[in-house]
Amino acid sequence: DGGITQSPKYLFRKEGQNVTLSCEQNLNHDAMYWYRQDPGQGLRLIYYSQIVNDFQKGDIAEGYSVSREKKESFPLTVTSAQKNPTAFYLCASSLHGQSSYEQYFGPGTRLTVT
Amino acid sequence: AQSVSQHNHHVILSEAASLELGCNYSYGGTVNLFWYVQYPGQHLQLLLKYFSGDPLVKGIKGFEAEFIKSKFSFNLRKPSVQWSDTAEYFCGAVTDSWGKLQFGAGTQVVVTP
Repeated sequence: DGGITQSPKYLFRKEGQNVTLSCEQNLNHDAMYWYRQDPGQGLRLIYYSQIVNDFQKGDIAEGYSVSREKKESFPLTVTSAQKNPTAFYLCASSLHGQSSYEQYFGPGTRLTVT
Repeated sequence: AQSVSQHNHHVILSEAASLELGCNYSYGGTVNLFWYVQYPGQHLQLLLKYFSGDPLVKGIKGFEAEFIKSKFSFNLRKPSVQWSDTAEYFCGAVTDSWGKLQFGAGTQVVVTP
């Protein structure tokens, strides 16, 4: 059953701690993306990656870091430098290079930092 | 900077009413347009998309959208909504070769029985 998995569904951390959110896809997609969803602000792009070992900053990359060591995995680290980390985080992937840029989304991780 | 605007943040309507959600984008070149829907507790999923050709695009669940280039708009419509259409709807645009998807702020739609 192909798709995108994100774990965990809910995550709680203390302020000052780094935390890593997992994203795995078995769709054989080239491109992967991380978004942050806040009420009334839609989805904002944090980082994206078109190929393994390469990634680009999105619109709100400050305080976040990523890696892309494998095609199927794109973990996101929320660092202590992120001033307002509590949010719903969505991972997505797409088949880059095709005429379609349709992105497929995972179920999301809700991060709460206190 | 390119942007996507959704005019309504909250819409409440009764079953069988018609729905139209506005979406405008600010980009003068080639643009690929999308509408995504997020039902309560579910993944964000694609409703429909426009790349080229017929500007009237039909999607899943009876939704359609019309691309009007002169107005930079891609409004979503459904002639008769159901209670199950209660969800948040997001308009998105891809304007570069990287496939970066710029989203609007979303519209929360509540359909009352």
